[in-house]
Amino acid sequence: EAGVTQFPSHSVIEKGQTVTLRCDPISGHDNLYWYRRVMGKEIKFLLHFVKESKQDESGMPNNRFLAERTGGTYSTLKVQPAELEDSGVYFCASSQIGLGYGYTFGSGTRLTVV
Amino acid sequence: SQQGEEDPQALSIQEGENATMNCSYKTSINNLQWYRQNSGRGLVHLILIRSNEREKHSGRLRVTLDTSKKSSSLLITASRAADTASYFCATAGGNNRLAFGKGNQVVVIP
Repeated sequence: EAGVTQFPSHSVIEKGQTVTLRCDPISGHDNLYWYRRVMGKEIKFLLHFVKESKQDESGMPNNRFLAERTGGTYSTLKVQPAELEDSGVYFCASSQIGLGYGYTFGSGTRLTVV
Repeated sequence: SQQGEEDPQALSIQEGENATMNCSYKTSINNLQWYRQNSGRGLVHLILIRSNEREKHSGRLRVTLDTSKKSSSLLITASRAADTASYFCATAGGNNRLAFGKGNQVVVIP
């Protein structure tokens, strides 16, 4: 089966610009998560979708970040306007509903804000 | 909130040796998972151990879980150069949300 796909793999943008990251989960996985790793620090939770609904968005750093999952399939994470501290690797993961299932992570999008 | 904390932070070993990493956490969990990240690549799920399990094996990997001490260990036996990577533990609670530790950098020298 196809894994979790993230696009783009790298993005370099200027401060103040907008960037949209995309994640295509494994087909049939209702859970979709966004995480990020900033400056080699811990991997931090951003938010969790169950199908198209936001189950938990407590990890979103501020209102410059907007995530959507229309139709319960792929998800986008928009950063507008981007700031220098947003640089890092953004990971998307999906899993089946239910405890005891491991997550499948995508390769991540490396975002550099200059 | 749950947080895995690995120890040690960096480990350098010779090919063929075993590598052991530890992880501690603070609250009750449903399961604990270990992930690997090769340089510049995504996170790869290695193994999941449920809170009612004490030990689990997968190939050259052995994971233990001690819920009384809130700790877990990951053992990689007969290490290979390809095992060079960062290893993260992550705990999952009732909300199925993962809390990651800082990660261990393992370097296997050929």
